[in-house]
Amino acid sequence: GQNIDQPTEMTATEGAIVQINCTYQTSGFNGLFWYQQHAGEAPTFLSYNVLDGLEEKGRFSSFLSRSKGYSYLLLKELQMKDSASYLCAVMDSNYQLIWGAGTKLIIKP
Amino acid sequence: GAVVSQHPSRVICKSGTSVKIECRSLDFQATTMFWYRQFPKQSLMLMATSNEGSKATYEQGVEKDKFLINHASLTLSTLTVTSAHPEDSSFYICSASETEFSEQYFGPGTRLTVT
Repeated sequence: GQNIDQPTEMTATEGAIVQINCTYQTSGFNGLFWYQQHAGEAPTFLSYNVLDGLEEKGRFSSFLSRSKGYSYLLLKELQMKDSASYLCAVMDSNYQLIWGAGTKLIIKP
Repeated sequence: GAVVSQHPSRVICKSGTSVKIECRSLDFQATTMFWYRQFPKQSLMLMATSNEGSKATYEQGVEKDKFLINHASLTLSTLTVTSAHPEDSSFYICSASETEFSEQYFGPGTRLTVT
């Protein structure tokens, strides 16, 4: 079956760095997405990785290793507004999105 | 875990025809379902929020007469794209939650192509 795993919840301190991991097993691979979702709002696109390596976008970076079925989202210089759920989703060979359950990130002062 | 399915997974239709997309919560009762549209590598755009048994709430700029939403049961919501045009071609994603403000569970999406 197809499966996406990510931690349910993580806690970090304002100003620190946090890494949210995502592992996947899917039938085929056409890219991996990271979204941020604040409570009551639509998910916001953060990144898309289809090739191995690190993509950096300001305070956020996303890494992909296709051979390991693994990705992480790295958030630097954490701010209180980064408290949100972070969703990992993989597009399979049929261009269907397989969603992780999301990681709730709690930022403490 | 909570599972949400969508049917069909992909559909090709001719311009001017109507297409119905189903969203089902398989193992929980979804009081609220959300319909999103996604363009490549872009954020999900919320189209409407539907609560079981009542009329859907549409986001600004979304034509309610074109995108008909029905949420007649706690496990099923449908989105009908009426008189489809090529610019309606997109990836439509639904999500379901037990209440409007609880965690959303996302469906796999439906790829609509209008020729």
